[in-house]
Amino acid sequence: AAGVIQSPRHLIKEKRETATLKCYPIPRHDTVYWYQQGPGQDPQFLISFYEKMQSDKGSIPDRFSAQQFSDYHSELNMSSLELGDSALYFCASSLGAKTNGYTFGSGTRLTVV
Amino acid sequence: AQKVTQAQTEISVVEKEDVTLDCVYETRDTTYYLFWYKQPPSGELVFLIRRNSFDEQNEISGRYSWNFQKSTSSFNFTITASQVVDSAVYFCALSDTGTASKLTFGTGTRLQVTL
Repeated sequence: AAGVIQSPRHLIKEKRETATLKCYPIPRHDTVYWYQQGPGQDPQFLISFYEKMQSDKGSIPDRFSAQQFSDYHSELNMSSLELGDSALYFCASSLGAKTNGYTFGSGTRLTVV
Repeated sequence: AQKVTQAQTEISVVEKEDVTLDCVYETRDTTYYLFWYKQPPSGELVFLIRRNSFDEQNEISGRYSWNFQKSTSSFNFTITASQVVDSAVYFCALSDTGTASKLTFGTGTRLQVTL
């Protein structure tokens, strides 16, 4: 069965650089969520999109932006990267009106040096 | 606001022991979902179970079982006859039942199973 695809799997960036993370949800899933998991931490909700519109916003820095495109894939753009942005970034998808379960991608490990 | 508490930061057991991971939650919603996820050292989040708030039946899946007690706002997870492959961080999580509802995670319990 198709799963949530995240790319890249690993990313190394320098401070003040920009990074773009991509997420391809399960086919027919209309909702995408982004989570950030710092070392030894639990995943923290960043932002979600339902039917290509922003649905909810968590503790997402102003330096980050995201969108969901017409094909339902989503991109998380991170600018002016800081050392503290080093984390595992998860994308999850679901059928918005049915919280049957969130299917998570394998994550993108971002390292800022 | 929703909150999930996993008071056990780390648990170590010897293989074949039974182990219970505790989860206590807070929510003002009358209907909600509870989840358990496993995060092995490789890092991915593996879905284990979803429980609807109006279904208090306990569930068993192989060596795994879950005890949902609405009266005490707890959703505990027991692994019977633990194995080394069970070593991972386990997260309990909560969401409301609205459209596109986010997950609120607990801080996780690291389970170490040794031979």
